[in-house]
This record gives sequence, C-alpha cells and structure tokens, in this order.
Amino acid sequence: EAQVTQNPRYLITVTGKKLTVTCSQNMNHEYMSWYRQDPGLGLRQIYYSMNVEVTDKGDVPEGYKVSRKEKRNFPLILESPSPNQTSLYFCASSLFPGRNTGELFFGEGSRLTVL
Amino acid sequence: AQTVTQSQPEMSVQEAETVTLSCTYDTSESNYYLFWYKQPPSRQMILVIRQEAYKQQNATENRFSVNFQKAAKSFSLKISDSQLGDTAMYFCAFSRLLQAAGNKLTFGGGTRVLVKP
Repeated sequence: EAQVTQNPRYLITVTGKKLTVTCSQNMNHEYMSWYRQDPGLGLRQIYYSMNVEVTDKGDVPEGYKVSRKEKRNFPLILESPSPNQTSLYFCASSLFPGRNTGELFFGEGSRLTVL
Repeated sequence: AQTVTQSQPEMSVQEAETVTLSCTYDTSESNYYLFWYKQPPSRQMILVIRQEAYKQQNATENRFSVNFQKAAKSFSLKISDSQLGDTAMYFCAFSRLLQAAGNKLTFGGGTRVLVKP
C-alpha cells in the first residue's frame, strides 16, 4: 500500500529535550516536505527536500532541522523544543515538480506537546 | 506570495442537505492548481477535489463539486446530499503549476463542517 508513515503519532515532551519525528514514504517520491498545523492558520511549510541531500527552508523553519540521507526518509529534528512548537505536524511527499499533478500525499500526522 | 482565505470558520448542515464552503486566493500566476482537502477527526489529510486553473470546466467528484471563478479568484466547494461522514475540517489549498522550489501548497485556515442527523 502506498503511504507516508510518521512516528511517533503522539508525543509529550519538555522544553529543551531533543526529539526527532521520523517520516518514510514507499512511493519513490523525490519531493518531501514538513508542515505544521495550528488553529486558524491552516498548514504551513517548515522545510522541504527536492531529492537526496537537497533541503531548503519553508515559511516557518525556525527551531527545526531536517536531513535527507535516503530518498524514502525525511526526519524532522527539534534540537531544543519550546512550547510554541506545540502543534500537529505533517510529512508529505510527491513526485518531482513538473512530473506530478500538484497533489501532496500526507502522513497521518504527529501531535507534539512541549511542556 | 500567494495567500488563501477561508472566511467561514465553522458551518453546520442537516444530513442530506447541501452546504457550500467559500475560498478566495490571491496570486499573480496564471497557471496553478487548487485543491480541497478533508481532515476528519482521524487527522488524515484526504484530497477531495482538484482543479487546474487552465481548465474552465469545474471539477466534480461524486457529491463534491467546485465553482471556480478565475477572474474573481474564488474557489468554492459544494457538498451535496451531506452525509455524517462528511463531518470534518476542510482546507482550501493553492499550488503553483511550475515551482523552482518544490511542490509547496499554501493553505487556508480551514472550515469546520458539522453534519447533523
């Protein structure tokens, strides 16, 4: 089954404790990205990756890091989480722009709470 | 930069009736995609319908249809014969057709739809 898998689905942590949210896709997609969803703001892009070893900032990158060492994986790293990073996070993927229909395929979301 | 606005935070509709969600966007592009995504309580983002701006014909998918007004930059979603399973948050989203910086979607703030029995 074609899917984007995120882990963990739920996480409660404390300020300053490093954490990683993993994302993996099995569709051989070149493009992957991370979004955060906050009430009234919809989803906003954090980081994206056009292919292996190619990453760049989205609209709200502060406090986050990413890496793309393999095509299928795109982890989101919070080096020192703060309460304002409490949010619902989505990983998404698609074929390379120009070869796709514009649609993004989303993971099931990760609810993160930073105390 | 593109912006997407959904002016209705919440809407309710009786089962079997019709509800229309509004969405406006701002862009200087002439070719782009527009989407409606559904987010049920499970949180999964599900693509409902997709419209290509260069196509004048409005997209339809079963009970879901759009009214795409390019000049007015309006993209409303009509849900006909509403069912309890349509209860969800609905997001309107915009994507440029050709993007040098990936396949970014710009989302509106969402409209929560409650279908009442």
